[in-house]
Amino acid sequence: QLQLQESGPGLLKPSETLSLTCSVSGDSITRNNYYWGWIRQPPGKGLEWIGSLFYSGTTFYRQSLKSRVTISIDTSKNQFSLKLTSVTAADTAIYYCARSLGVWGDSYDYWGQGTLVTVSS
Amino acid sequence: QSVLTQPPSVSGAPGQRVTISCTGSSSNIGAGYDVHWYQRLPGTAPKLLIFANTNRPSGVPDRFSGSKSVTSASLAITGLQAEDEADYFCQSYDASLGGSIFGGGTKLTVL
Repeated sequence: QLQLQESGPGLLKPSETLSLTCSVSGDSITRNNYYWGWIRQPPGKGLEWIGSLFYSGTTFYRQSLKSRVTISIDTSKNQFSLKLTSVTAADTAIYYCARSLGVWGDSYDYWGQGTLVTVSS
Repeated sequence: QSVLTQPPSVSGAPGQRVTISCTGSSSNIGAGYDVHWYQRLPGTAPKLLIFANTNRPSGVPDRFSGSKSVTSASLAITGLQAEDEADYFCQSYDASLGGSIFGGGTKLTVL
């Protein structure tokens, strides 16, 4: 059974860099042509796709976040990561990692439980 | 403001049928992109409930069904059970935004 688990700091100050890791267990992150994505939910709002990565390293980002986001993969650790620079209070959210078959509206069949990141001075 | 519009809440008594709507536009659902539905029980990871408009992953009871119309989609739950109390989200793709989009979520309360 595939499992995803997010980890990283839960509290950041404005202007800092958010760094989260998603550890994948139960299968290789490079197998079967899956995409690995990050999705967040700000308090009181809906889910928001941040970006996705193919195991080869090809990335796809939300246009409005493109200048601040980097998603990368570490195949040796079976993990992928999210970096979001210059955070503000608007980046406060529950961050999820998830797996999909594509990035053009494909469904996400496995999700992590999510991790709350709060940006506050 | 989410690109896909869902009612904030719905409710129903055990055994009843409820539906949750997901309204989009001509650049997403209306453009022919698939709609998927997720269930998020309190404190747990979202679970894929319906994919590609009408399909249930293995293990999802047939009490859950999805449908799609021109610019909207619906999730129907029949034979409501207490364990169905959760948040439900719809997802599609928006050509003008160039990425996946989600609804704001609907909280289902079983009375």
